[in-house]
Amino acid sequence: RKEVEQDPGPFNVPEGATVAFNCTYSNSASQSFFWYRQDCRKEPKLLMSVYSSGNEDGRFTAQLNRASQYISLLIRDSKLSDSATYLCVVKGQAGTALIFGKGTTLSVSS
Amino acid sequence: SQTIHQWPATLVQPVGSPLSLECTVEGTSNPNLYWYRQAAGRGLQLLFYSVGIGQISSEVPQNLSASRPQDRQFILSSKKLLLSDSGFYLCAWSGIPSYNEQFFGPGTRLTVL
Repeated sequence: RKEVEQDPGPFNVPEGATVAFNCTYSNSASQSFFWYRQDCRKEPKLLMSVYSSGNEDGRFTAQLNRASQYISLLIRDSKLSDSATYLCVVKGQAGTALIFGKGTTLSVSS
Repeated sequence: SQTIHQWPATLVQPVGSPLSLECTVEGTSNPNLYWYRQAAGRGLQLLFYSVGIGQISSEVPQNLSASRPQDRQFILSSKKLLLSDSGFYLCAWSGIPSYNEQFFGPGTRLTVL
């Protein structure tokens, strides 16, 4: 089983749609969780950290289910500028590396 | 605010040639520094990380090496490049207030011919 698995997509949605991405991780000792966004041929940028209680930042909502080892990202009211690859990232204890999923590609069209 | 620089932005090198990529961070002290590689169609792979000057941990055995001569400088090197070294090389840092979150530089796109 891969350490971090994501549906690669692509997800093709119209502007204004709501889209959800899922991610599973294999290491139950993982302690920190993140979503990064990567535009084509650019560096990944931190979108949001994911907390156990779930968290929201504007149109973006992230949730964590430790029992199922599952992370999600919900994007509401999609914008053209949301088109990118979304990377699910997991980290173990302090001093351990970030483990990246291969990413889910989102394309928002008008 | 903190910024991270990488150069060069793009590089085309012949097989067997040496490599030196540089990364510097501004606006923070004692950062953890990281080198990642992203090959075409693949996820990010951690190559090296450093928690201080002169301290390097290698994650993947290969013909690359890293050095940290100064607190905010991280260098990735190779004596002889292979075709398989082609990829997008990203430097990242983490530090105060949260060492968990990492922030990436703009990257170097390396093509080995």
